[in-house]
Amino acid sequence: DAGVIQSPRHEVTEMGQEVTLRCKPISGHNSLFWYRQTMMRGLELLIYFNNNVPIDDSGMPEDRFSAKMPNASFSTLKIQPSEPRDSAVYFCASSSSGRTSGSPYNEQFFGPGTRLTVL
Amino acid sequence: AQSVTQPDIHITVSEGASLELRCNYSYGATPYLFWYVQSPGQGLQLLLKYFSGDTLVQGIKGFEAEFKRSQSSFNLRKPSVHWSDAAEYFCAVGRSGSARQLTFGSGTQLTVLP
Repeated sequence: DAGVIQSPRHEVTEMGQEVTLRCKPISGHNSLFWYRQTMMRGLELLIYFNNNVPIDDSGMPEDRFSAKMPNASFSTLKIQPSEPRDSAVYFCASSSSGRTSGSPYNEQFFGPGTRLTVL
Repeated sequence: AQSVTQPDIHITVSEGASLELRCNYSYGATPYLFWYVQSPGQGLQLLLKYFSGDTLVQGIKGFEAEFKRSQSSFNLRKPSVHWSDAAEYFCAVGRSGSARQLTFGSGTQLTVLP
């Protein structure tokens, strides 16, 4: 398996522009997570989906951020309009929410991240 | 709400020396605990996890961690560090039940001297 795939790996944009980050989870995984990593705030969960349905979006910073998961193999995180304080590394992770043998909590597999710079 | 504290922002050790990275958690019930490693420019990779049972868990790359309920700790250890272990290490706690979120600590940056 190719693992979690994120695109683009790097994005530089100007303030006010729309930014779309993409994620392809591992095939067969039915939970998907979007995280943001900054020096100041560390690693924060923004939103997570289970079976393509958003379960908890309490970490989404404001209405400028939106996330969708139209099918089991694709998710987007959109920022519109972008601001310099949105500059961060955005990670997507996926897991299988079903129980594995002896394990009530399944590992999250992380993608390589998208480094976003908003000028 | 659960929280995770990694008191050491940066640790430097010599290659071959032993390593211990500290992690303290706050959670009302039995926690699910994890250690992840992040190499520069990479995503996070799971080193090991604790759910129940034996409080000493073995992970990949020669790492182990010990769950101590009385101290609310889950410290990561390695008897002999290799230069390739230089990375950032994150402790995380997960909630039981249907929620699958992880709460991460702020991370510990490990530098390995030759």
